[in-house]
Amino acid sequence: DAGVIQSPRHEVTEMGQEVTLRCKPISGHNSLFWYRQTMMRGLELLIYFNNNVPIDDSGMPEDRFSAKMPNASFSTLKIQPSEPRDSAVYFCASSDPGFQPQHFGDGTRLSIL
Amino acid sequence: QKEVEQNSGPLSVPEGAIASLNCTYSDRGSQSFFWYRQYSGKSPELIMSIYSNGDKEDGRFTAQLNKASQYVSLLIRDSQPSDSATYLCAVNSNDYKLSFGAGTTVTVRA
Repeated sequence: DAGVIQSPRHEVTEMGQEVTLRCKPISGHNSLFWYRQTMMRGLELLIYFNNNVPIDDSGMPEDRFSAKMPNASFSTLKIQPSEPRDSAVYFCASSDPGFQPQHFGDGTRLSIL
Repeated sequence: QKEVEQNSGPLSVPEGAIASLNCTYSDRGSQSFFWYRQYSGKSPELIMSIYSNGDKEDGRFTAQLNKASQYVSLLIRDSQPSDSATYLCAVNSNDYKLSFGAGTTVTVRA
């Protein structure tokens, strides 16, 4: 079975540019999560979707970050404008509902110059 | 107090030995507990899930849960160099949110 698919795997861009990260969850999973991982802060939950609806976006750092899930098989995380402090690895994860484990994609390594 | 705390490590063990990883959590209502393995530059990979008190074994891995003590552990028996990674403890504090520990880095010496 295909796992969570993220693209791109690496992104290097200049400060001020718009960045769009993409995620395809595991088929049948109705919960989707976006995380950010840095050495300093570890894994941070940015936003959680259930049945395509954003439920908890309290982890989104500021208005420069936005996320959408237009359908059950696709989600985007957008940063506009990007800043060097946004450099991190961004993971998408999906799960079945309830107290089920989350399965992570390979991540996008983002570098903002 | 952090929601999930792990022994800080790094933990270095000789090949063939048992690696013992510990994790405590603050939310007494937590219901599901997971261990993830993360190799350097890779994503977290689920290796164990445990939901009830006691031990759960899967191959060389054993997870132990004690809800009264708010404690969960992971034992890796017959440690191999391929077990060298960071191990993340994760706890469901509600029906969707996973709280992660900072991770324990394990190095298995050949």
